[in-house]
Amino acid sequence: GENVEQHPSTLSVQEGDSAVIKCTYSDSASNYFPWYKQELGKRPQLIIDIRSNVGEKKDQRIAVTLNKTAKHFSLHITETQPEDSAVYFCAASPEAAGNKLTFGGGTRVLVKP
Amino acid sequence: NAGVTQTPKFQVLKTGQSMTLQCAQDMNHNSMYWYRQDPGMGLRLIYYSASEGTTDKGEVPNGYNVSRLNKREFSLRLESAAPSQTSVYFCASSQYIDQPQHFGDGTRLSIL
Repeated sequence: GENVEQHPSTLSVQEGDSAVIKCTYSDSASNYFPWYKQELGKRPQLIIDIRSNVGEKKDQRIAVTLNKTAKHFSLHITETQPEDSAVYFCAASPEAAGNKLTFGGGTRVLVKP
Repeated sequence: NAGVTQTPKFQVLKTGQSMTLQCAQDMNHNSMYWYRQDPGMGLRLIYYSASEGTTDKGEVPNGYNVSRLNKREFSLRLESAAPSQTSVYFCASSQYIDQPQHFGDGTRLSIL
């Protein structure tokens, strides 16, 4: 079935530095790629998403880039702050799975003050 | 503006007991989902309903049943709870199957 792999599984950065999380997918017909942030004990919340007809999207300090040829997409967080500490999940919507979201395994980000 | 509401928030069961987790959304979404999240793990899809009147198995459906009661409500039933089903259960909804999903606050279920 469709596989979404996410790396790294943990990421520790100094406050103010950038953080990058990468996901790869296998179904080239996937057309929707959201990113979710989950704080400890809370629900996952959508932070940014991108469709396959766009290569990059930005929203303040976060951005997502998509490389359809290589079948990978990445989340970029600039000027990290302690409140960015959370688990981040990527997802893809493979046609082979009826276009429902398939989630990556998550990345635990720790921003050190 | 409640979004996705799950009840109960916490529950402790004994092995073999049955229970239904309730989920309701007020966003007029067509698609609804049930996930489980084990400690330190990702989200695993149990069942989903792409539209009212349809339900399909996800990645880990064994031991569970679902009912799409109407467009708003999607319930998850454990017929005979087992300790392996101890987890946090999230319900989510989206306008259509390949649209952003909105999650409820989760139900923390412990089975002794």
